[in-house]
Amino acid sequence: DAMVIQNPRYQVTQFGKPVTLSCSQTLNHNVMYWYQQKSSQAPKLLFHYYDKDFNNEADTPDNFQSRRPNTSFCFLDIRSPGLGDAAMYLCATGDGTGGRITEAFFGQGTRLTVV
Amino acid sequence: ILNVEQSPQSLHVQEGDSTNFTCSFPSSNFYALHWYRWETAKSPEALFVMTLNGDEKKKGRISATLNTKEGYSYLYIKGSQPEDSATYLCAFLNTGNQFYFGTGTSLTVIP
Repeated sequence: DAMVIQNPRYQVTQFGKPVTLSCSQTLNHNVMYWYQQKSSQAPKLLFHYYDKDFNNEADTPDNFQSRRPNTSFCFLDIRSPGLGDAAMYLCATGDGTGGRITEAFFGQGTRLTVV
Repeated sequence: ILNVEQSPQSLHVQEGDSTNFTCSFPSSNFYALHWYRWETAKSPEALFVMTLNGDEKKKGRISATLNTKEGYSYLYIKGSQPEDSATYLCAFLNTGNQFYFGTGTSLTVIP
């Protein structure tokens, strides 16, 4: 059974139209990550939550926002998608209750296309 | 921002050949080095988590080593099989719980 679920698997959005990607988990992990992966590049960390604490990477554009209403759900909001935001978006979770996570568990990703 | 580098970017080997890839990472603020296996249309899955300098881990035909002082890890596959074809990602976990990934090595094992 999938433990980290991303919806939708494929998302097509219009240039400039706000879009939200969803991630849910059944693992009760306190750490959640969002990554952006473009073709042939490394998955790039956008931000992560440690419990409710939001940690933004310094080079994450302001166009990308995130919400974590509870332990199970985390959302990635792209306020005004540009063509350059087309990518695979990966969500991952980790159990950080001991202070450090030991393994990341990934969803299958959402492939975003901007037209 | 951290640079985690993997080489080679892609690799084609014959079934039965042994192979290895490299991951290099910064040695400061190190907490752990992870290896993940990512098959097409699936989620990345953890292979190894290594934290101590000199760590060696093994799972079947796959093994990994870690050198935190010089900032590198090797992943070895002995007697490659077609089912080993995947992208192998390494990830550097720092003391702030931030995971930084390399670009991956795409392995194709030719029957």
